[in-house]
Amino acid sequence: QPALSQPPSASASLGASVTLTCTLSTGHRDYTVDWYQQRPGKGPRFLVRVGSGGMVGSKGEGIPDRFSVVGSGLNRSLTIRNIQEEDEGDYHCGADHGTGTNFTVEFGGGTKLTVL
Amino acid sequence: QVTLKESGPAVIKPTQTLTLTCSFSGFSLTTPGMCVGWFRQPPGKALEWLALLDWDEDEYYKTSLKTRLTISKDTSKNQVVLSMTKMDPVDTATYFCARTQLWNDYFGAFDFWGQGTMVTVSS
Repeated sequence: QPALSQPPSASASLGASVTLTCTLSTGHRDYTVDWYQQRPGKGPRFLVRVGSGGMVGSKGEGIPDRFSVVGSGLNRSLTIRNIQEEDEGDYHCGADHGTGTNFTVEFGGGTKLTVL
Repeated sequence: QVTLKESGPAVIKPTQTLTLTCSFSGFSLTTPGMCVGWFRQPPGKALEWLALLDWDEDEYYKTSLKTRLTISKDTSKNQVVLSMTKMDPVDTATYFCARTQLWNDYFGAFDFWGQGTMVTVSS
């Protein structure tokens, strides 16, 4: 099963852009990854799914165009443009693997985004 | 409108069994492809998937916790219940439920989540 790696923190100024990265472990370059936003004290919110070729399917409900993704090699990146105060929070990437009794869902450690 | 809400005890003693309920609306777990999963997040730590139940009552469990977990549903009440035995202080976490769908053997993202319920394991 894949392991997912995320930097623990990131920061960006209001109105700027930031790219958050999620790196899959070696040998898992074909996996899709789901990005989730978690505001303080809230449950996660699905943002977008990304594969090696870019976005897969549709974004989550109400997710603005400011959020975009790129998939390259083992990296699945989320870019947020024109950052707003409401974008502050934790960003998690997750991926599922296997079927039946081997099914599992793995998450990265999460990146805490601070809006300056 | 899809909503999910977790409920359960805020505090539980070590060795006891935890029972959590996920009450949902806006979809039915009798619809082919529909699934509900459970997750947890210890304070300041990463999300961890625990279990998943599909519309056909197939059960999926995190391997390392399989012997302690049971997931079930009450279709008439639109609820999914997770039981975890032998609770320990390391199980202190916020527990979430979320919906996903299975299409052609592939799971979609967990597209709707509850707000979570904090469970503290302490004597």
